[in-house]
Amino acid sequence: KQEVTQIPAALSVPEGENLVLNCSFTDSAIYNLQWFRQDPGKGLTSLLLIQSSQREQTSGRLNASLDKSSGRSTLYIAASQPGDSATYLCAGRSGYALNFGKGTSLLVTP
Amino acid sequence: ETGVTQTPRHLVMGMTNKKSLKCEQHLGHNAMYWYKQSAKKPLELMFVYSLEERVENNSVPSRFSPECPNSSHLFLHLHTLQPEDSALYLCASSQDPGGSGNTIYFGEGSWLTVV
Repeated sequence: KQEVTQIPAALSVPEGENLVLNCSFTDSAIYNLQWFRQDPGKGLTSLLLIQSSQREQTSGRLNASLDKSSGRSTLYIAASQPGDSATYLCAGRSGYALNFGKGTSLLVTP
Repeated sequence: ETGVTQTPRHLVMGMTNKKSLKCEQHLGHNAMYWYKQSAKKPLELMFVYSLEERVENNSVPSRFSPECPNSSHLFLHLHTLQPEDSALYLCASSQDPGGSGNTIYFGEGSWLTVV
């Protein structure tokens, strides 16, 4: 079974900083890698999807990369804002299942 | 109208009760999913449906019974649950159950407390 690990588990940064969230996975035969955001008590919002044939995807201040050979993905957030505070989850798709990490809880302080 | 709608948002039930969670997707997708999110654990896939046919049952106890009457609706019937089943239950949908380009969309979830 695909195992997904996210580091760090929690992160606190001052507003304006650039930051990187890390995700590693054990099975390089993934179909895609998705990054999600989850606000407290809410469902998941899809941020970026990187297909297995792609190396990165960008949306606004977010950039996600994928290195299948090393089993790693990163989510880069530029110029962080307090509204970015949430839990960020990565998930690797193998077959029907999305296998999730436990998430990184991000706090951006004003 | 949000893409994936779940009801109820909150549910408290006794261990001998029977209740159901409902999910509806307005995205024209062919695949629907139930996930469970417990404290301190990663999201766990429970069931996958493709065009109303169950294609994956991830070793879920029989006290959880899914039903997919059509490609837009998904239910999770609950019967004789245990306190450890208390969790956030998330419904999701995607265009197809597999495929590298398919984004999966989640609902807001149903918070279940078993007393």
